[in-house]
Amino acid sequence: SQKIEQNSEALNIQEGKTATLTCNYTNYSPAYLQWYRQDPGRGPVFLLLIRENEKEKRKERLKVTFDTTLKQSLFHITASQPADSATYLCALNEDTGFQKLVFGTGTRLLVSP
Amino acid sequence: KAGVTQTPRYLIKTRGQQVTLSCSPISGHRSVSWYQQTPGQGLQFLFEYFSETQRNKGNFPGRFSGRQFSNSRSEMNVSTLELGDSALYLCASSLVGGALDTQYFGPGTRLTVL
Repeated sequence: SQKIEQNSEALNIQEGKTATLTCNYTNYSPAYLQWYRQDPGRGPVFLLLIRENEKEKRKERLKVTFDTTLKQSLFHITASQPADSATYLCALNEDTGFQKLVFGTGTRLLVSP
Repeated sequence: KAGVTQTPRYLIKTRGQQVTLSCSPISGHRSVSWYQQTPGQGLQFLFEYFSETQRNKGNFPGRFSGRQFSNSRSEMNVSTLELGDSALYLCASSLVGGALDTQYFGPGTRLTVL
């Protein structure tokens, strides 16, 4: 069956360290993968999209990698801050033409000062 | 630009009732998608509308339906509510709903079914 898996356990790190979150998928062949941030009581906010032919994508302190052989994406936040504490969701599109996002269950990140 | 707005923000209903939720997309956005978020199942795609037409549908029973108006505003309806329908319902808008379009989510409607 098709699955997108993220660490269900919360990730606790200290301020200033690099947080690394994992997204693994099975029985999908996505052309691209997205990462979102969700704060409690709010809708997800789009962060980054990476295409299958891009090994790595960066945006400020964020870095995403996409390994289609391993069927895995890694999401890194460098120099993490308490304000980065949130749930991070990966998502891929089931439809090649139009929007039909399938989300992972998300990983909660807690950055302590 | 104003963001995606959803009304109402909170709703309490009883089993067997029906409910209508509303979503106003960002001005200029013509695609609206709906998602259900629960602690057990996470975020699940319900359907997507563009130019008043449903283009994609998730795996939900027929009790879940939606529509889109000519001004791109969208509503979703759930009939014969069940306890398991308690969830956060999110809508998201994008320019044309292309696979690479950025989706902008609203704050959601929290539905509780008693």
